[in-house]
Amino acid sequence: EVQLVESGGGLVQPGRSLRLSCATSGFTFGDYAMSWFRQAPGKGLEWVGFIRSKTYGGATQYAASVKGRFTISRDDSKSIAYVQMNSLKIEDTAVYYCSTGIYQHNHWGQGTLVTVSS
Amino acid sequence: QSALTQPPSASGSPGQSVTISCTGTSSDIGGYNYVSWYQHHPGKAPKLMIYEVFKRPSGVPDRFSGSKSGNTASLTVSGLQAEDEADYYCISSAGGTNVVFGGGTKLTVL
Repeated sequence: EVQLVESGGGLVQPGRSLRLSCATSGFTFGDYAMSWFRQAPGKGLEWVGFIRSKTYGGATQYAASVKGRFTISRDDSKSIAYVQMNSLKIEDTAVYYCSTGIYQHNHWGQGTLVTVSS
Repeated sequence: QSALTQPPSASGSPGQSVTISCTGTSSDIGGYNYVSWYQHHPGKAPKLMIYEVFKRPSGVPDRFSGSKSGNTASLTVSGLQAEDEADYYCISSAGGTNVVFGGGTKLTVL
C-alpha cells in the first residue's frame, strides 16, 4: 500500500524557517517526481513546486509565490521528500500536501498544517 | 488567477448528473491528453479521479467520467451521491514539465 505522510508543520513567526518532510512507502520512491501543494484557509489548492527523479537530474520548479524562499529536495535512500521554507510570510499559512508525480498525482498525503503568526 | 478556468461552484440533486468544466488553451488542454481531475474533501488527502482525460484509476466509481473538446475538459458525475460533495480540481500538462492548474469547483449535493 502506498503511503505518504507529511510532518514538520507547526506555528512559526514571520521571517523564520521551517522544514517539512514527506515520508513515503509502498513504491519505488527514486523513480518518481514529487510535488508539494498547499491550501490556505478558505482557499483552493495551490501548487508549490516539484522535484524530478534523479534520472532527470532532480530538477526543481517552483510557483512564483515561493520561488527564492522555498527549496524542495529529496533523499532517495530514505524515501523522503522535503520542502525547506525560509523567510516565511503570514500568507504561507496553509495545510501542505505532498504528492507523487508532476502533472498526474496518483498519491497524496493527508497534509501538515503550517501557521505563520507573530 | 489560475491558468485553467473552472466554475467556482456546481450543484445537483441526488441521482442527477452534473458536469464541471475546465477551460484552458491550445498550449495546455487543447494540445495534450494529460488532463487529470482530483476530488478533495476538506481535511483529507486529495484523490485522483480521472487521468489522461478519461481514464479512471481502479477503485473510482464509473459514475465519474472525463472528456475533452478543444481547449475544454469536463468531469461528469452521474447518479450524484451525498459523498460526492467536495472540491474538484483539474490539472493539465502544458508541455515538458510545465503544468497548469484550475482554481477548483465546489460541488454541492442538494
